[in-house]
Amino acid sequence: KQEVTQIPAALSVPEGENLVLNCSFTDSAIYNLQWFRQDPGKGLTSLLLIQSSQREQTSGRLNASLDKSSGRSTLYIAASQPGDSATYLCAVRQGSGSARQLTFGSGTQLTVLP
Amino acid sequence: NAGVTQTPKFQVLKTGQSMTLQCAQDMNHNSMYWYRQDPGMGLRLIYYSASEGTTDKGEVPNGYNVSRLNKREFSLRLESAAPSQTSVYFCASSPTSSAWATSTDTQYFGPGTRLTVL
Repeated sequence: KQEVTQIPAALSVPEGENLVLNCSFTDSAIYNLQWFRQDPGKGLTSLLLIQSSQREQTSGRLNASLDKSSGRSTLYIAASQPGDSATYLCAVRQGSGSARQLTFGSGTQLTVLP
Repeated sequence: NAGVTQTPKFQVLKTGQSMTLQCAQDMNHNSMYWYRQDPGMGLRLIYYSASEGTTDKGEVPNGYNVSRLNKREFSLRLESAAPSQTSVYFCASSPTSSAWATSTDTQYFGPGTRLTVL
């Protein structure tokens, strides 16, 4: 059974700092990996999706990398801003079986201090 | 274009009561999903529907039933609520059926329903 772990559970940084969020997964036979953002009381918003054949994806100040062989992904946020404060979740979609469902990590709660 | 909508936003039930959580999407998506999110845990899949007229169990289906009423609507029913079902429930949809998802298929989430069972 796939397990997804995100460490740390919470992170607090001063505004302007570059930071890295980590995600690890136990089964490397994934179809893709996604990073989501969740604001308090809100649903999830997809930030980046990396296909299994890709190494990284970029969107603005965000860069996500994927290393399938080691079962790791990182989300890099450049020049952090208070508006980046949210919980970031990583989710993997399995490549095998007929039900390609998402398995989520428990998230990293990020606080960017002004 | 409202995306994925859920009703109600908040609900308090007593043990043994029943209720239905409603979800609708206006993006003409084929697949729909129900998740629960508990503190310190990731989202866990309760049920999903790969297409209109089909439903399948996810990771934690016990105590729940679902109905894919039509392509737009997917409801989740608690027949006899228990305190262990206190959680935040999220509905999601995705364009393709889960069995044939493309590698870029992503899920779109509703705002959630916060349910407390006393």
